[in-house]
Amino acid sequence: GDSVTQMEGPVTLSEEAFLTINCTYTATGYPSLFWYVQYPGEGLQLLLKATKADDKGSNKGFEATYRKETTSFHLEKGSVQVSDSAVYFCALKGVKLIFGTGTRLQVFP
Amino acid sequence: KAGVTQTPRYLIKTRGQQVTLSCSPISGHRSVSWYQQTPGQGLQFLFEYFSETQRNKGNFPGRFSGRQFSNSRSEMNVSTLELGDSALYLCASSLDQTNTGELFFGEGSRLTVL
Repeated sequence: GDSVTQMEGPVTLSEEAFLTINCTYTATGYPSLFWYVQYPGEGLQLLLKATKADDKGSNKGFEATYRKETTSFHLEKGSVQVSDSAVYFCALKGVKLIFGTGTRLQVFP
Repeated sequence: KAGVTQTPRYLIKTRGQQVTLSCSPISGHRSVSWYQQTPGQGLQFLFEYFSETQRNKGNFPGRFSGRQFSNSRSEMNVSTLELGDSALYLCASSLDQTNTGELFFGEGSRLTVL
């Protein structure tokens, strides 16, 4: 069945560092891919999405490119801020929306 | 525009009891999904409703049930609670039946089973 695998956290970075959170997927067909973010005490929010191969989703300085050849959708940001500290979830939409286990990001000043 | 509202936000129950959680979607949204979030299992899909009909169901025992009303509000019920049911239960809404994967989540109902 469809599945999503994310790198385990926590990822700990200093402010202004470069961020990569790896995400790979297994799916039949051509799913849409998403990154959701969960700030402390809140529900999940859609961060960005890509619906077909080679699409790049971007929002708030975060980017991810849908790579069909490597079945990946890695999240990147060039310069993280303390306010980016949250849990990030990679997800794919086939028949239903399936989430990875989440990666906690901690950014220190 | 009001977001997804879940009630209650926190609740404590004992084993064997039952619980009902409520979700009011964003106005105009007709699709509601429920997820269980735990530290060990992450986010697991429970069910999805559209226009009062269950469209998809996850791999949970029959103790977990849900429904959707004509105003799109949804409830989920867990009967005969077990310790392992302790979790954050998240409700999410989307606009229509195409369900592109763009969901709007509530803040969740945190259930503790003692």
